[in-house]
Amino acid sequence: SYALTQPPSVSVAPGKTARVTCEENNIGSYSVHWYQQKPGQAPVLVIYSDSDRPSGIPERFSGSNSGSTATLTITRVEAGDEADYFCQVRDSSSDRWVFGGGTKLTVL
Amino acid sequence: QVTLRESGPALVRPTQTLTLTCSFSGFSLNTTGMSVSWIRQPPGKALEWLALFDWDGDEYYNTSLRARLTISKGTAKDQVVLTVTNIDPVDTGTYYCARGIFSGPIGWFDPWGQGTLVTVSS
Repeated sequence: SYALTQPPSVSVAPGKTARVTCEENNIGSYSVHWYQQKPGQAPVLVIYSDSDRPSGIPERFSGSNSGSTATLTITRVEAGDEADYFCQVRDSSSDRWVFGGGTKLTVL
Repeated sequence: QVTLRESGPALVRPTQTLTLTCSFSGFSLNTTGMSVSWIRQPPGKALEWLALFDWDGDEYYNTSLRARLTISKGTAKDQVVLTVTNIDPVDTGTYYCARGIFSGPIGWFDPWGQGTLVTVSS
């Protein structure tokens, strides 16, 4: 079955760059979407189709996807970026939508 | 502006059937590429996709929960309903509905409702 693997946690100092990965064999052949979830809040889409940003999402958020790893990159990290981040794909061959296990981003 | 709101019981007894309603506005399920999905999240855990109802009236389900789930259009306009049968304490969590957007074979969720916490306990 299709499973997306994310590191449980990533830590970064303010002003630095954070990278959150999402791994699965051949994930590069899928489109990956990313969601940010702050405590007590619903998830918010921050990247869709590997690297597109919805309106209202800062340019500091970017995405890439190749081979077996998709990456969400957040530059110039701010305290307000501290949240859980989830990757997601649609497996069109089986008509399933799959989420990664989530990564807790801590801003030191 | 697209909004979604979940409604349903906060407490359900084991073995009962859970019925949740998603009321949405700002888009139409008659528009190609639009859909409504249910996603849940046990406390402190990851998101789990449950089911999706699309503009064509097609239903999609998480295969591991398929036997217990039914997604359908509600009786009122702009509503989608999820039923979960034979509910169990492991089904405790926050249930979200979200607009699903299709672009060819690709699909993502935006925006999400605020979620409704369902606790399963006797």
